[in-house]
Amino acid sequence: ETGVTQSPTHLIKTRGQQVTLRCSSQSGHNTVSWYQQALGQGPQFIFQYYREEENGRGNFPPRFSGLQFPNYSSELNVNALELDDSALYLCASSFPGTSSYFGPGTRLTVL
Amino acid sequence: AQRVTQPEKLLSVFKGAPVELKCNYSYSGSPELFWYVQYSRQRLQLLLRHISRESIKGFTADLNKGETSFHLKKPFAQEEDSAMYYCALSNGADFGNEKLTFGTGTRLTIIP
Repeated sequence: ETGVTQSPTHLIKTRGQQVTLRCSSQSGHNTVSWYQQALGQGPQFIFQYYREEENGRGNFPPRFSGLQFPNYSSELNVNALELDDSALYLCASSFPGTSSYFGPGTRLTVL
Repeated sequence: AQRVTQPEKLLSVFKGAPVELKCNYSYSGSPELFWYVQYSRQRLQLLLRHISRESIKGFTADLNKGETSFHLKKPFAQEEDSAMYYCALSNGADFGNEKLTFGTGTRLTIIP
């Protein structure tokens, strides 16, 4: 059984650029959730995908978008990056009846 | 709006002493409550959840709906308990598809 993996580990972008973060869910899990964790804060829910459909969204603007693929891996895309987007982005996978398993995160720095 | 409050950013406890990490929540409905833990250089992981009513690594948490609290307790602290602890909640109907609302976390340090 493989755990949740995320890529890349670290990323540096400049304001206005676009970024794509990737997540591979734990084997057998069909739900992926994305969270943003700013420095000194708890993770904040961005959105969730279940069987390739968006299944709930937090208080984030439309420039945060996502995808889930048939193998249940997922991408988080952020357009028009702002300085405040600098954070650790966490992916979590789950399956009905299980709790969420988190990945190690991607550290995004926006300059 | 749902909210989780962890009033202590930092907590230091001597080894062998009791530990209590506070968590209060606001939620209009039937929430499910969780405690997540992050040890040094490890990923965030589930410690326990209310619905399971388990004791994990000696930790327990009781949901008090009257006080809207879900405090985490352990009678005798161990050095390996040093970590960052997050309280979280979700809609109780979303089992397996939780959309978690987290508190800001409490860093627990056990003093040898």
